[in-house]
Amino acid sequence: DQQVKQNSPSLSVQEGRISILNCDYTNSMFDYFLWYKKYPAEGPTFLISISSIKDKNEDGRFTVFLNKSAKHLSLHIVPSQPGDSAVYFCAADRDDKIIFGKGTRLHILP
Amino acid sequence: DAGITQSPRHKVTETGTPVTLRCHQTENHRYMYWYRQDPGHGLRLIHYSYGVKDTDKGEVSDGYSVSRSKTEDFLLTLESATSSQTSVYFCAISVTGTNTGELFFGEGSRLTVL
Repeated sequence: DQQVKQNSPSLSVQEGRISILNCDYTNSMFDYFLWYKKYPAEGPTFLISISSIKDKNEDGRFTVFLNKSAKHLSLHIVPSQPGDSAVYFCAADRDDKIIFGKGTRLHILP
Repeated sequence: DAGITQSPRHKVTETGTPVTLRCHQTENHRYMYWYRQDPGHGLRLIHYSYGVKDTDKGEVSDGYSVSRSKTEDFLLTLESATSSQTSVYFCAISVTGTNTGELFFGEGSRLTVL
């Protein structure tokens, strides 16, 4: 039973436009939600997180929105840049057990 | 760099042989994790540890065991490797020391089981 779901395997966005990556979860007991970015042949790197008691967190070009009633979160990247092309993983934390989604591959088009 | 290293980085082995992957950290962080990454499955938690001799199962723990006899080392063992365990294995540590989910990952160990 998948607790963290990323239903879009890939997404293509024009450079300069907004990229929106989506994630759904099933367990309402998660404490934190996070986004990680991964380049080929490297380990994932932490990008941004949000506490379950908040609905928005912003860090530079990256904003994460949390909709608890819908059990949905999204990552907005504005403006999208070529270096943003990577696989993005949504993750959720409960009691230090951190579960990841399957990832979404983002392609930034020139 | 949170001082985390994985070894070996690459290994090819045969079905039925035992394999141990090592994760070493230099900063005495309490929480350590083992994940595997496979196409179509993303990152899946195998086991994690919250202190010396304190470990717990993740989502896909069958066929794997772990040990943490020292703070700095977290070992992942495949007692009898199978082809389904061919994967890239990532170790991670929680650098904040608190329950925020922020992990720092190693560079991965690619395991091929023939």
